[in-house]
Amino acid sequence: EAGVVQSPRYKIIEKKQPVAFWCNPISGHNTLYWYLQNLGQGPELLIRYENEEAVDDSQLPKDRFSAERLKGVDSTLKIQPAELGDSAVYLCASSLVLTGGAFGELFFGEGSRLTVL
Amino acid sequence: KNQVEQSPQSLIILEGKNCTLQCNYTVSPFSNLRWYKQDTGRGPVSLTIMTFSENTKSNGRYTATLDADTKQSSLHITASQLSDSASYICVVSVRGGSNYKLTFGKGTLLTVNP
Repeated sequence: EAGVVQSPRYKIIEKKQPVAFWCNPISGHNTLYWYLQNLGQGPELLIRYENEEAVDDSQLPKDRFSAERLKGVDSTLKIQPAELGDSAVYLCASSLVLTGGAFGELFFGEGSRLTVL
Repeated sequence: KNQVEQSPQSLIILEGKNCTLQCNYTVSPFSNLRWYKQDTGRGPVSLTIMTFSENTKSNGRYTATLDADTKQSSLHITASQLSDSASYICVVSVRGGSNYKLTFGKGTLLTVNP
């Protein structure tokens, strides 16, 4: 079974340019997460989807970041315009939601490493 | 202050040796605790998930323990191998009403030398 697929793996852009990351979760997983990970730090949640609905986007910098999950399957995370401080790894993960609302095991993609020059 | 604290920040051991990584958390109410392994340049991979009622859980050479009373967990690696070199991340799931939230630690960077 295919895991969580992310693209691109690496992206180098100049500041003020736009960038987009794509994620295809594990088939059947209704919950999709976008995380930001800086070097030497743990992942930080940007947005969580349950099906098509963004149920937690409280940490998403909405002035420059946007995300969508059309049809409740794959998802795109966009940054426009990018700033130097956005250089990081963007991780996508997916899981099932268990009875009672608890998260099942999270499966992560390999991440998209962004470098903003 | 990070609500999930991991120690040590980094650790270097020789191949074949055992080691123990620590995770202390303050978040509540507790739902479950997870340990992930993250190889350099890769995404995290789940090692164990423990609920409140589980004191210990093993996955091959990895054994996680949980003391929900003291809010401490440890990950013990037996007979380390070079491939164990990675960052190990502790994640605590908390429940607020019908909502759940995952809080990640910063990880412990383990280096296993030959």
